[in-house]
Amino acid sequence: GQQVMQIPQYQHVQEGEDFTTYCNSSTTLSNIQWYKQRPGGHPVFLIQLVKSGEVKKQKRLTFQFGEAKKNSSLHITATQTTDVGTYFCAVNYGGSQGNLIFGKGTKLSVKP
Amino acid sequence: DTEVTQTPKHLVMGMTNKKSLKCEQHMGHRAMYWYKQKAKKPPELMFVYSYEKLSINESVPSRFSPECPNSSLLNLHLHALQPEDSALYLCASSHIQGAGSYGYTFGSGTRLTVV
Repeated sequence: GQQVMQIPQYQHVQEGEDFTTYCNSSTTLSNIQWYKQRPGGHPVFLIQLVKSGEVKKQKRLTFQFGEAKKNSSLHITATQTTDVGTYFCAVNYGGSQGNLIFGKGTKLSVKP
Repeated sequence: DTEVTQTPKHLVMGMTNKKSLKCEQHMGHRAMYWYKQKAKKPPELMFVYSYEKLSINESVPSRFSPECPNSSLLNLHLHALQPEDSALYLCASSHIQGAGSYGYTFGSGTRLTVV
């Protein structure tokens, strides 16, 4: 079925270190979204990427969409304890019908 | 008002019970969704409503019955559930664009335990 592969599954970092999670697809994607879910919380929308080679920044977070639109990454510079949670990429396969399928997520833990 | 409200937050039900989960949003979103999330897993799409009509049913068992009474409300009726149905049930909503996509706004979920 439709799926996007996300790695790594877990990442443990020391506070201040950088963090990156990657999503890869075997097919060309029309878009990719990123969500953050804090422990015990619900997914919160971070950003959507649509254009080939797109790079967007939100403070310490940098999101990239590959030139071939088959991969994407989320990079966090100088992690803080508030960055703890699971980061999911998600792809909307249904367009206006809405069929948002999530990657398996990367769980980030940050040691103070 | 930029949130999705789900009730109840927690629910424990027996396998013979009938219960309903409720979801409400006042953001003018015309697409609403039900997701199921098991521990340490990603959310799994169950149902999609577009302009109050069911547009996607991801092969969900009939013991789950969705309902969209109006553009602000979404219900999930539960009947004869199994213990393996215990999970976090998330409601979400979004705008609809012709061929595009918007970010989803998720509610805080209902944590369901079937005993």
